Amino acid sequence: QKEVEQNSGPLSVPEGAIASLNCTYSDRGSQSFFWYRQYSGKSPELIMSIYSNGDKEDGRFTAQLNKASQYVSLLIRDSQPSDSATYLCAVTYISGNTPLVFGKGTRLSVIA
Amino acid sequence: GAGVSQSPSNKVTEKGKDVELRCDPISGHTALYWYRQSLGQGLEFLIYFQGNSAPDKSGLPSDRFSAERTGGSVSTLTIQRTQQEDSAVYLCASSLTARDSSNQPQHFGDGTRLSIL
Repeated sequence: QKEVEQNSGPLSVPEGAIASLNCTYSDRGSQSFFWYRQYSGKSPELIMSIYSNGDKEDGRFTAQLNKASQYVSLLIRDSQPSDSATYLCAVTYISGNTPLVFGKGTRLSVIA
Repeated sequence: GAGVSQSPSNKVTEKGKDVELRCDPISGHTALYWYRQSLGQGLEFLIYFQGNSAPDKSGLPSDRFSAERTGGSVSTLTIQRTQQEDSAVYLCASSLTARDSSNQPQHFGDGTRLSIL
């Protein structure tokens, strides 16, 4: 059973702080890793993709991947109230076009 | 630009009826995926198409569920003899063909919210 685990939260951070979201996965052979943001009642929106160990930065977002420890994280710098949403970690286990295995998401609340 | 389009956005039907959900992927995206999300639950994979063929149907919960894709574009997900446990948001995603070992990101439509009375 391939599993992706996330703390359900809510994770509350003050406006302007760094929000740190974590995700662990069960299969060491995992290939690709994605972070999606989902606002209440809306569909998931892709934020970041990461494929190799290390950090990947895009604006206020940084994804970090550590395959040896089987975790992937998302840092949000200068958090804004508009960042309040559920963040979904998704993993694929085979190369090529394959389905995503999702965690249940972490709810982030940024307090103004 | 045009994203993944799903219809209807909402569907309310009586238990035992058949429903058909439609997904129109992003132009040029060869891979198409169906997921569903129940209240308070994560996204659950249903079926995946590469072109018109479905290499992976492992997520379909029962033989009441079927899907097809024609012309490498539009896909329909059909649920026969609906049950109350079928109530969920059905999400469709599409992606480009993978060029190497990395997986192409999937982009989601707005979903169909299905309610079975």
